[in-house]
Amino acid sequence: SAVISQKPSRDICQRGTSLTIQCQVDSQVTMMFWYRQQPGQSLTLIATANQGSEATYESGFVIDKFPISRPNLTFSTLTVSNMSPEDSSIYLCSVAVGGTYNEQFFGPGTRLTVL
Amino acid sequence: DAKTTQPPSMDCAEGRAANLPCNHSTISGNEYVYWYRQIHSQGPQYIIHGLKNNETNEMASLIITEDRKSSTLILPHATLRDTAVYYCIVRVSLGGGADGLTFGKGTHLIIQP
Repeated sequence: SAVISQKPSRDICQRGTSLTIQCQVDSQVTMMFWYRQQPGQSLTLIATANQGSEATYESGFVIDKFPISRPNLTFSTLTVSNMSPEDSSIYLCSVAVGGTYNEQFFGPGTRLTVL
Repeated sequence: DAKTTQPPSMDCAEGRAANLPCNHSTISGNEYVYWYRQIHSQGPQYIIHGLKNNETNEMASLIITEDRKSSTLILPHATLRDTAVYYCIVRVSLGGGADGLTFGKGTHLIIQP
């Protein structure tokens, strides 16, 4: 299993600013993922962040808007840049562990409100 | 990944078995059925997965039809803490890596006291 923490747990930001969300895992993992959950919606994958390589972004998400760092096997950051009210969402990180990566563990999420 | 269809909401009495259906008629031979749930204000939680045989763990049972076009997640004795959105996801299980998950709308299961 894996225990994941995220910082901050929530934030209220002004339009045009940027916020960096941290994801910390209690064990070394290769594969990490970032998701967005807009109000009342299910989760949407933003990108896959593997240590030692550039993040891979899903359709509709770009690096300039959501830069990701993955400096080591236990940590990752997601930055939401030049924010607008449409970026108000919960942002979650997850990791895949185990030999077959069948189970993914999720962090508690960061609730972002953009005014 | 194959598309799944789930009812948007279901009610179940506390102490009863909760049976959550999922249709995945376009599932491929190498795709597994996964179930996750998301309790309010928390991240999703893995429940169970299977390929074609029925599976059981400490949380739930998964029944997959013989043609694999549908499945049912069973919570044998539902409690109020099982109130959550349940997601049925069909995807390939990769031994050497993993892709992110594609979440549908899920079923909002409400356990009634």
